[in-house]
Amino acid sequence: GNSVTQMEGPVTLSEEAFLTINCTYTATGYPSLFWYVQYPGEGLQLLLKATKADDKGSNKGFEATYRKETTSFHLEKGSVQVSDSAVYFCALAYFNDYKLSFGAGTTVTVRA
Amino acid sequence: NAGVTQTPKFQVLKTGQSMTLQCAQDMNHEYMSWYRQDPGMGLRLIHYSVGAGITDQGEVPNGYNVSRSTTEDFPLRLLSAAPSQTSVYFCASSPGLAAYEQYFGPGTRLTVT
Repeated sequence: GNSVTQMEGPVTLSEEAFLTINCTYTATGYPSLFWYVQYPGEGLQLLLKATKADDKGSNKGFEATYRKETTSFHLEKGSVQVSDSAVYFCALAYFNDYKLSFGAGTTVTVRA
Repeated sequence: NAGVTQTPKFQVLKTGQSMTLQCAQDMNHEYMSWYRQDPGMGLRLIHYSVGAGITDQGEVPNGYNVSRSTTEDFPLRLLSAAPSQTSVYFCASSPGLAAYEQYFGPGTRLTVT
């Protein structure tokens, strides 16, 4: 079956530090890949997505590139802010399939 | 628009009690779903609905019932709560089949003692 593995947290950073959260997946065919963010007390929000190999998703300074050869979709941000403190989830789904498969989530805390 | 709303925000139940978690959306979305979020396991799909009157099971349906009598509402029922159902529950809705279009509610934190 499909599965998503992401680095365990928690991750604690200082403001303006570089953030990387690793995500790898196991799936057949060509799924779409997503990063969701959950801010404290809120539901999940789509942060970015990529639908085919070598696509780069980007939003709010975050980027992730769909690497088919390494089955990876690592999330990066060059300079984090306190407001980036949240739980980040990597996920996959197939085109026109409603079901998302989520990773376990990585808690990120950014200190001023 | 209020988006996806869930009530209650917090609930404590004793083993064997029943309750209903409420979910409503005001975006006229056809697709709605329930997930549970457990530490170290991400979100797992419990049940979903592709329209009023149509529901189907997800990955972890045991112990939960759903119905969809209107487009707006999708309640989740626990008939006899067990400690293993202690979790955070999220409802989501979507205008179409594409998974990334899902809008999530703020969640209900349930503790079963």
